[in-house]
Amino acid sequence: GENVEQHPSTLSVQEGDSAVIKCTYSDSASNYFPWYKQELGKRPQLIIDIRSNVGEKKDQRIAVTLNKTAKHFSLHITETQPEDSAVYFCAASGGGSYIPTFGRGTSLIVHP
Amino acid sequence: GAGVSQSPSNKVTEKGKDVELRCDPISGHTALYWYRQSLGQGLEFLIYFQGNSAPDKSGLPSDRFSAERTGGSVSTLTIQRTQQEDSAVYLCASSPRGSDTQYFGPGTRLTVL
Repeated sequence: GENVEQHPSTLSVQEGDSAVIKCTYSDSASNYFPWYKQELGKRPQLIIDIRSNVGEKKDQRIAVTLNKTAKHFSLHITETQPEDSAVYFCAASGGGSYIPTFGRGTSLIVHP
Repeated sequence: GAGVSQSPSNKVTEKGKDVELRCDPISGHTALYWYRQSLGQGLEFLIYFQGNSAPDKSGLPSDRFSAERTGGSVSTLTIQRTQQEDSAVYLCASSPRGSDTQYFGPGTRLTVL
């Protein structure tokens, strides 16, 4: 089955800095890679996703890049703000399955 | 429109008791997922329902766990003879047909004493 590794587990940055979270996956058949943000005590919410036919996708201050050859994808947040503080999860699915495999999460702390 | 809802929001039970957790998906969504999230951990897949197809139960950790989905809508996750290691947040998510995007509920925090 699919295996998703996510790094780092904790990331601490100063407001205004950029943050990068990386995930690797094992199943070359995976073709859908979403990122979820989970604020403390709240439900995970989709913030951006990418499919395997695209190398990069941007939405304002967030972007996701995908390297299919190396089987890794990354979340980039620019000009971080304190409200970006949360746990971020990556996931991978595809190859005929709609069941995603999640990474273990990254706790992002943005210091004012 | 209304999002995914779950009840109860919190459940405290004694070891050995049975519990039922409820999920109301977004109206019209055909896919429904259950996950377990232990403190500081990722999301552990439990079970997946898609329309009228047989559910994918491959993530259920033991035969104490079961789930059903009535009328293709509401789902109930049942844990029998609860153990302390069952303590976690149980999340439900739904998706429209043909979509990978999941919409999560607020979760039920289960504490087994």
